[in-house]
Amino acid sequence: QKEVEQNSGPLSVPEGAIASLNCTYSDRGSQSFFWYRQYSGKSPELIMFIYSNGDKEDGRFTAQLNKASQYVSLLIRDSQPSDSATYLCAVWETSYDKVIFGPGTSLSVIP
Amino acid sequence: EAGVAQSPRYKIIEKRQSVAFWCNPISGHATLYWYQQILGQGPKLLIQFQNNGVVDDSQLPKDRFSAERLKGVDSTLKIQPAKLEDSAVYLCASSSVPTRGQFFGPGTRLTVL
Repeated sequence: QKEVEQNSGPLSVPEGAIASLNCTYSDRGSQSFFWYRQYSGKSPELIMFIYSNGDKEDGRFTAQLNKASQYVSLLIRDSQPSDSATYLCAVWETSYDKVIFGPGTSLSVIP
Repeated sequence: EAGVAQSPRYKIIEKRQSVAFWCNPISGHATLYWYQQILGQGPKLLIQFQNNGVVDDSQLPKDRFSAERLKGVDSTLKIQPAKLEDSAVYLCASSSVPTRGQFFGPGTRLTVL
């Protein structure tokens, strides 16, 4: 089973700033990549998925994928205190036909 | 559209007892997953069903854990006997197209004393 790694965190950013969350994966055959948000005591919620190189934007969120570098990131623009949560990166590993989750990065947006 | 339903939400048992969790996925979702999430870690896949067949159960501790999905709809996960290290949140998720992401239920928080 391959690995999915994320910044250890916690990551603190001031309100209104850009939060950058990073994720690397080891299975070169991976095809789909996901970002989930998990509030404390709640279950993960799908924010975005991406499977093509480049950027995918949805409101204040932008996912960036670079398959050559095996790197996927999530940018949150105009960060709000309500964005404070743990962000989980997940990768669909084609070799194993299943999703592997990273350990998550805790984000704190300071008012 | 109703989300993924799970019950119970909380369960406290003593070690060596048995416990069962129930999950009803989003209507029409063929793929159902059970995850174990220990505090501070990402979810770990226990078992994945496609309709009522098992796709992956490589990380399911089969000596104590069992799961079934009769009729390809709802599912139960059982632990017998429970150990202290089974204390975790058990998440059920479902998807219609796995490569487009999963939708999680509220989870069951299990405490083994």
